[in-house]
Amino acid sequence: NAGVMQNPRHLVRRRGQEARLRCSPMKGHSHVYWYRQLPEEGLKFMVYLQKENIIDESGMPKERFSAEFPKEGPSILRIQQVVRGDSAAYFCASSPRQNQPQHFGDGTRLSIL
Amino acid sequence: EDKVVQSPLSLVVHEGDTVTLNCSYEVTNFRSLLWYKQEKKAPTFLFMLTSSGIEKKSGRLSSILDKKELFSILNITATQTGDSAIYLCAVEPSPSNTGKLIFGQGTTLQVKP
Repeated sequence: NAGVMQNPRHLVRRRGQEARLRCSPMKGHSHVYWYRQLPEEGLKFMVYLQKENIIDESGMPKERFSAEFPKEGPSILRIQQVVRGDSAAYFCASSPRQNQPQHFGDGTRLSIL
Repeated sequence: EDKVVQSPLSLVVHEGDTVTLNCSYEVTNFRSLLWYKQEKKAPTFLFMLTSSGIEKKSGRLSSILDKKELFSILNITATQTGDSAIYLCAVEPSPSNTGKLIFGQGTTLQVKP
């Protein structure tokens, strides 16, 4: 059973570029969650999606950040016009239903030059 | 504001020791508390607790929840070097359709040979 797959593992971008982070949930999981881990801080919730729907985006910055989970393909977290403060580890998690434990991927380490 | 506080922040023990990790929380409405182990990559799910006083056990690890005093403990007996990791506590508020987990800062455990 493949776990939650995230790619790329490491991503380097220059200020002003766009970053796209991908997440394929575990087989049979239709609920996807994105978290951000800044240096020396805990994991912070960003957004919760089901197929084709954003359920809760209360943790997403209002500008430059967006997320989607299309009917086919992985979930995408998109950051436009990246800034140095976006440097962090971005983790994706999935669950088969609500109220079930979330299982995490290995994360994408985003570095902004 | 909902928050989760873990203690200690770091701990160094020797193989064979028993450790107790603490997690206290303040949330408006509580649904569940989860423990994860994070080594270099993905946080790995350990336990999900919803009811007070019922111990969950897996090998040398066990955990219990006290909903009256708003805390949980994670015990590890006969520690091994492979137990070295960051242990994360997270709370799922209710209503749970938000999907959000609120994480503590983690306890870094180092087990020396």
